Amino acid sequence: AQKVTQAQTEISVVEKEDVTLDCVYETRDTTYYLFWYKQPPSGELVFLIRRNSFDEQNEISGRYSWNFQKSTSSFNFTITASQVVDSAVYFCALSRHGGAGSYQLTFGKGTKLSVIP
Amino acid sequence: NAGVTQTPKFQVLKTGQSMTLQCAQDMNHNSMYWYRQDPGMGLRLIYYSASEGTTDKGEVPNGYNVSRLNKREFSLRLESAAPSQTSVYFCASSPGTYNSPLHFGNGTRLTVT
Repeated sequence: AQKVTQAQTEISVVEKEDVTLDCVYETRDTTYYLFWYKQPPSGELVFLIRRNSFDEQNEISGRYSWNFQKSTSSFNFTITASQVVDSAVYFCALSRHGGAGSYQLTFGKGTKLSVIP
Repeated sequence: NAGVTQTPKFQVLKTGQSMTLQCAQDMNHNSMYWYRQDPGMGLRLIYYSASEGTTDKGEVPNGYNVSRLNKREFSLRLESAAPSQTSVYFCASSPGTYNSPLHFGNGTRLTVT
């Protein structure tokens, strides 16, 4: 069965602190993709990153970095020197095959990050 | 570029009323999806359409029907609304390949009283 677990429901940090959002997944697929999305208070869902199951290199984009570890089925997201604009709900998602060659994303329940000035 | 457009943005219904949520994408994507978002539950898939002419149930399809009208449009219908269907509904589209992210609309906030 496909499952994505984001154990941290809510996190609060003070501005400029580093923060890591955890994501643990379960899948029987040998090839899969993992995604992170951001949902700011305005409500839209913004795609942040995609990682395939064969690529365990860490990814860095500005203050954002992602650590994928297949051995522990984790795909964690770190924000360095957090800013108020980082306040949002963050979702981790896992691709899975559906019927007739389709695929869908299974989402975790999200982690609400509040960055306090 | 409009991307994925959902209408309406807000809707209030009384129990038993029906309505259709509209979704259109202008990215020539093959696949389209309807998700609902409830507090503490994340995003759950209601129905999806892998390609024009096909639709399939997702995780929480009960109480809903969908129509893939053409490649651009994918509508979600509530035949007899219930308070349990109070939620934020998101439509999404993707090219349909395994590594493609979903592109989401801005959501419809539905309240059923």
